[in-house]
Formats: sequence, C-alpha cells, structure tokens
Amino acid sequence: GQNIDQPTEMTATEGAIVQINCTYQTSGFNGLFWYQQHAGEAPTFLSYNVLDGLEEKGRFSSFLSRSKGYSYLLLKELQMKDSASYLCAVLDSNYQLIWGAGTKLIIKP
Amino acid sequence: IAGITQAPTSQILAAGRRMTLRCTQDMRHNAMYWYRQDLGLGLRLIHYSNTAGTTGKGEVPDGYSVSRANTDDFPLTLASAVPSQTSVYFCASSDSGDPSTEAFFGQGTRLTVV
Repeated sequence: GQNIDQPTEMTATEGAIVQINCTYQTSGFNGLFWYQQHAGEAPTFLSYNVLDGLEEKGRFSSFLSRSKGYSYLLLKELQMKDSASYLCAVLDSNYQLIWGAGTKLIIKP
Repeated sequence: IAGITQAPTSQILAAGRRMTLRCTQDMRHNAMYWYRQDLGLGLRLIHYSNTAGTTGKGEVPDGYSVSRANTDDFPLTLASAVPSQTSVYFCASSDSGDPSTEAFFGQGTRLTVV
C-alpha cells in the first residue's frame, strides 16, 4: 500500500529552527509537495521537489532524497504565525496526490 | 477575486438526506478535486475531474457522486447522508497540464451528519 509518515506534533521556540520530516512509500514518484494549513483554513502551497537536493525559499527550505524516500521541511527564524499544520504529499505514478496526516507545529514564545 | 469558492461553509444534515456541496473556480483550471479531511488522517481524494465532461473515482468514492458540466463548477452530492460522512470537505483545482503546479483549495465545508 501507499504510505506517508510524518510526526503528529512538534513544538519549537520563536526565533529557532525546526525540521519536519516526511518519509514515503508510494507506487511511483512524480514529485513531493509541502503545504501549510492554519487551523480552520485551507491548505496553501509551500514547495515542490522532484529532484534530489535542497530548495530554499526565504525562511522555508525543502529537501528531497528519492533513494531514501525521505523529505524534510526546514523552517528558520520561527514566527508565531508559523504555528500551523504542515502537510506532506507525494504525486504517485498515476499523478494522484497521496497525503500524509500532517504535522501540527506549535510555536512557543 | 480569482480563486475557488465553496458553499456552504458549514452544514448540519439529518441522516438520510440528500446534500450537494458546491464548488466554483475562476482560474480556468482543467483539473478539480474533492477531498475529505478527518482528524488524524491525511486528505483523502473522493472524486476528481481532469477536464470538463470527465470524472474519476478517488480513494473513498462510495456514497458520493460528482458532475463536471463545465470548467468552472464541480459539485459533490451525497445521495443519502450517513454519520460517517461527517467531515471537512475541500474542493481544489490545478493546472493538470503541469503536475508540479500547486493545487488551490477552497475554504472548506464543515459537514455534520446527525
């Protein structure tokens, strides 16, 4: 079966750095997405990786290793507004998105 | 304002009743999707449409139907609601010509079946 694993919840301090991991086992791979979802709101796009390596976009970076079936989202200089759930999703061989359950990130002052 | 709109935002529905959740987008995206989101689970695809006039079943299609008469609208119908269909429903759209393109989500419909 297809599986996406992420930690359920993480806590970090304002101004710090946090890394949210995602491991996947899917039928084929056509890219990996990270979305942010604030409580009660719609998911919004953060990043897309299809090749191995690190993609940096401001305070957020996303890393992919296809051979390990692994990705992480790195958030730097954490702000209170970064408190949200972070969703990992893989585009499988049929170009369908398989979603992880999300990681709830709690930022403390 | 360009985007994707869902209606209603929330609804309490008696079991056995029929209900249609509406979804409209004005971005001229070919692909549209319906997901349900339940606590502790990832978004699960109910139905999708790659272009107007075509639809397909997702991971959890039972009890739901969709239609895609035109590019903009993608309604989801629960023929006879059951309590297990209590969930938050998200409609999304994307440019299906490029799989790396982000999906845009509506604000969701919170449905409670009692």
